[in-house]
Amino acid sequence: AQTVTQSQPEMSVQEAETVTLSCTYDTSESDYYLFWYKQPPSRQMILVIRQEAYKQQNATENRFSVNFQKAAKSFSLKISDSQLGDAAMYFCAYRSVVRSQGNLIFGKGTKLSVKP
Amino acid sequence: DAGVTQSPTHLIKTRGQQVTLRCSPKSGHDTVSWYQQALGQGPQFIFQYYEEEERQRGNFPDRFSGHQFPNYSSELNVNALLLGDSALYLCASSLYTGNYEQYFGPGTRLTVT
Repeated sequence: AQTVTQSQPEMSVQEAETVTLSCTYDTSESDYYLFWYKQPPSRQMILVIRQEAYKQQNATENRFSVNFQKAAKSFSLKISDSQLGDAAMYFCAYRSVVRSQGNLIFGKGTKLSVKP
Repeated sequence: DAGVTQSPTHLIKTRGQQVTLRCSPKSGHDTVSWYQQALGQGPQFIFQYYEEEERQRGNFPDRFSGHQFPNYSSELNVNALLLGDSALYLCASSLYTGNYEQYFGPGTRLTVT
């Protein structure tokens, strides 16, 4: 069974600085999807960024980018120019490409605080 | 374009009671997945519905059941509530084929006393 591990329960960053959130996962599959979701205090889970395992190029969405190391099974999220609105819980998630196994497997999350 | 909606927002029930939570998927989506998020934890997959059938199920007891309607909306039912069922219940919608992204609703906070 696949597992996702986020080893940093809490992180803090100064406004306008850069922070990296860590995520490792375990799978025997060769193709899969990885996601970072943001959950602010409003509770709604928002997709931040997505990576297909077959793509070597790291995904980027504006200030958010990932460092995908397939051999190491590592998938970290870098937030550049941090803003107060980035403060939230961040969850790393894994999904198989097999349609019958379409559920997301989440890590326990990292709580990010942004200091003004 | 309406996103995923859930009702009610909050719910308080007593041990042993039954509860029904509702979800309307994002316009154009045909698949609904339900997740349970205990306090301080990541969401855990309960089950997924497509074409009005349960397609996949996580490690949850039979007390948790669901339904999908012809308009793709879905219900989650929990019988014989336990204190441990207190959690945020998240609904996510997606397309069964093609794009695998799941879009989440705001959740229903269930408290069992």
